[in-house]
Amino acid sequence: EKVMTQSPATLSVSPGERATLSCRASQSVSNSYLAWYQQKPGQAPRLLIYGASTRATGIPARFSGSGSGTEFTLTISSLQSEDFAAYYCQQYDNWPLTFGGGTKVEIK
Amino acid sequence: EVQLLESGGDLVQPGGSLRLSCAASGLTFSNSVMSWVRRGPGKGLEWVSSISASGHNTYYTDSVKGRFTISRDNSKNTLYVQMNSLRVEDTAIYYCAKDGGYGDYLYNWFDTWGQGTLVTVSS
Repeated sequence: EKVMTQSPATLSVSPGERATLSCRASQSVSNSYLAWYQQKPGQAPRLLIYGASTRATGIPARFSGSGSGTEFTLTISSLQSEDFAAYYCQQYDNWPLTFGGGTKVEIK
Repeated sequence: EVQLLESGGDLVQPGGSLRLSCAASGLTFSNSVMSWVRRGPGKGLEWVSSISASGHNTYYTDSVKGRFTISRDNSKNTLYVQMNSLRVEDTAIYYCAKDGGYGDYLYNWFDTWGQGTLVTVSS
């Protein structure tokens, strides 16, 4: 099983600033089979990125994904008020599909 | 607009059973790969099970194999999971999720999610 570790657990950022979230895999994730999701309290998760860097339909350009192998990054270029939420990475390279523990982005 | 609506969550005793349902609308359900993902209290997301569009192929995480059964009724646009021999550690919000894939081809990432239904396993 590929273990996904996200850091930091909590990130305090001011509106308008850049946020950089990290996701590390215990083994290499082939073909960049890595997705990112956003979840706000009481809401369903929302797909942001798949294929490590492809934005899902309707996702603003301020969200970008990068990385390969075991190291992946989600960058939010200029945080808006609606971006304060929890973020999860997920590998879909092999079974079982596994998620990271999440990074909570909070207002500084 | 694609909508997924879960139901069936409840409080159940350890060893008990429960069936969750997910009613889908706004999509061609019979061509959609579907999954269940859960989030335990204070925990992150955990993939539980997936099923191909035809229903012929099913996949489970090890901790639920032999206890949970995923199924679908394409005539009713509904996804199910039958959960038997429930354990305290199965306590979670269960989300129905649509895979980015189609037919019998799974992409294994999830482009649409429901709001979830709460399952509590406790004596």
